[in-house]
Amino acid sequence: EAQVTQNPRYLITVTGKKLTVTCSQNMNHEYMSWYRQDPGLGLRQIYYSMNVEVTDKGDVPEGYKVSRKEKRNFPLILESPSPNQTSLYFCASSLAPPTSGTLQTQYFGPGTRLLVL
Amino acid sequence: AQKVTQAQTEISVVEKEDVTLDCVYETRDTTYYLFWYKQPPSGELVFLIRRNSFDEQNEISGRYSWNFQKSTSSFNFTITASQVVDSAVYFCALSEVNYGGSQGNLIFGKGTKLSVKP
Repeated sequence: EAQVTQNPRYLITVTGKKLTVTCSQNMNHEYMSWYRQDPGLGLRQIYYSMNVEVTDKGDVPEGYKVSRKEKRNFPLILESPSPNQTSLYFCASSLAPPTSGTLQTQYFGPGTRLLVL
Repeated sequence: AQKVTQAQTEISVVEKEDVTLDCVYETRDTTYYLFWYKQPPSGELVFLIRRNSFDEQNEISGRYSWNFQKSTSSFNFTITASQVVDSAVYFCALSEVNYGGSQGNLIFGKGTKLSVKP
């Protein structure tokens, strides 16, 4: 079954304790992306990756890191989480970026709800 | 700068009413794409449509239709004869093609929560 998986789905942590949210897709997609969703702010893109070893900042990259060492995985790293990073995080993937000439449906993971105390 | 505005935070309708969700965008680019996504109460995000800036034809898919007007920088979404299953948060989004390597950058509006009551 084609899917994007995220782990963990729920996480409570404390300020400053490094954490990683994993994202994996089994569709051989080139493009992957991370978003955070906050009440009243909608979805905001954190980082995206056009391909292996190619990543770029979205609109709210501060406090986050990513890596794309393999095509299927795109982990989101919070080196020193702070309470303002409490949010719902979504990973997404598609065969090509949103602006590719051929429409490629973007598939979203189920979300990771993070609480930083 | 690129920006997407969904001025309607919440809309409530009764089943079978038609409802239009507004989306206004700002862009520096002449080539861009516009999107609509649906987020039902279960939380997942579902892609609905993509439209490129050169195609102003309206699109209809069943009870859903989209009206793209470059003159007013709007990409509105209409649900005809709404149903309870249409209850969700709907997001409009924009992606520019030609600016600053931003082809992978997707800007979302804040979303409109639609409640359809039986």
